[in-house]
Amino acid sequence: SQTIHQWPATLVQPVGSPLSLECTVEGTSNPNLYWYRQAAGRGLQLLFYSVGIGQISSEVPQNLSASRPQDRQFILSSKKLLLSDSGFYLCAWSVGTSGRNNEQFFGPGTRLTVL
Amino acid sequence: QKEVEQDPGPLSVPEGAIVSLNCTYSNSAFQYFMWYRQYSRKGPELLMYTYSSGNKEDGRFTAQVDKSSKYISLFIRDSQPSDSATYLCAMSHGGSQGNLIFGKGTKLSVKP
Repeated sequence: SQTIHQWPATLVQPVGSPLSLECTVEGTSNPNLYWYRQAAGRGLQLLFYSVGIGQISSEVPQNLSASRPQDRQFILSSKKLLLSDSGFYLCAWSVGTSGRNNEQFFGPGTRLTVL
Repeated sequence: QKEVEQDPGPLSVPEGAIVSLNCTYSNSAFQYFMWYRQYSRKGPELLMYTYSSGNKEDGRFTAQVDKSSKYISLFIRDSQPSDSATYLCAMSHGGSQGNLIFGKGTKLSVKP
């Protein structure tokens, strides 16, 4: 069966510090991968998605970036965190985007607090 | 008008009640509809999936889609305290570029 891991689970970082969040998926090949941010009262905001190694689409312009160095690894980064980057970051995977392949399965999330 | 609208609640019901959660949407191209359940400080988990119009039942849960009204519902029968969570609707048109569009979620509390 497929499993998705995220780490760290929680993170407290000062403003201006760098960020690296990691997501890995097991039990499937060539998944679509997604990074979301969930802030109170704002729902799930899609940040990036990837349909393959090295292929990243950005949905929201910001100081975050994403990379996919391996088929089942997705990394979210920032060079300098802002207060507004605080939130709950969720990684998700799907088989594809067509039809029912678009069902997305979420990881446990990383709670980021920027002080 | 936002693509997907969902009443954020909170919704508080007594144990055993029937719960109705709803979303409306504006894009008539949406064909795939999902409900996710998210417990506090956890990632969302897929609860129900429905294609096009109609009903789908799974235990105490029933998902209903009315495409003519652009309205979807999730019914929970015999609600339990363990059902206390935030419920998010999600939908897509299913095309190759069709990412999921999520509602903001409804927070449900079932009181024993």
